[in-house]
Amino acid sequence: DQQVKQNSPSLSVQEGRISILNCDYTNSMFDYFLWYKKYPAEGPTFLISISSIKDKNEDGRFTVFLNKSAKHLSLHIVPSQPGDSAVYFCAASAVLLPQGGSEKLVFGKGTKLTVNP
Amino acid sequence: KAGVTQTPRYLIKTRGQQVTLSCSPISGHRSVSWYQQTPGQGLQFLFEYFSETQRNKGNFPGRFSGRQFSNSRSEMNVSTLELGDSALYLCASSSLWTGSSYNSPLHFGNGTRLTVT
Repeated sequence: DQQVKQNSPSLSVQEGRISILNCDYTNSMFDYFLWYKKYPAEGPTFLISISSIKDKNEDGRFTVFLNKSAKHLSLHIVPSQPGDSAVYFCAASAVLLPQGGSEKLVFGKGTKLTVNP
Repeated sequence: KAGVTQTPRYLIKTRGQQVTLSCSPISGHRSVSWYQQTPGQGLQFLFEYFSETQRNKGNFPGRFSGRQFSNSRSEMNVSTLELGDSALYLCASSSLWTGSSYNSPLHFGNGTRLTVT
């Protein structure tokens, strides 16, 4: 049962254009969402996060949007650069569960972004 | 500040053997999480340790185990290796355990690539 889904395994965009990576989740208890970027032969690196009390968080060229009613979040990269070519993972967690404890950080399967010069 | 260090970077083992992977977290970080990455499966959570206690466990068989030492260093052990255990094993550290704070993203090491033949 996949709680975090990234339905596009790959995405290709032209340099300078906008890249939009999408992520859907099913667990309504998730209240904290993160994006990680991973280059080959390296571990994932934290990119940007958003808590459920917000619907947008911006950091330079990267913006994450959260639509709680649709259980959907997206990462926008503007403008896209060739160095952005990597696999992007969406992740979600719940700090507190009604029954106690917390939900572990759950990752999607990733979207491979290729930015063409 | 030194990052998360995982050793060894590469391992080749035979079916039936056992293996121990090591992780040194960022100095001051008390939480260590382990993930398995395989093609098409994304990052799957194995377990998380905080202050030498296992705080969370994923859906992996008992052949996968771990521990954390008083200096926060962690080891992961896989016994009776199977071909399907071939994967990139990633360790991540954070200052707080993932269930306790919004502002404690995971910092990943570069992983140990395990190949089982």
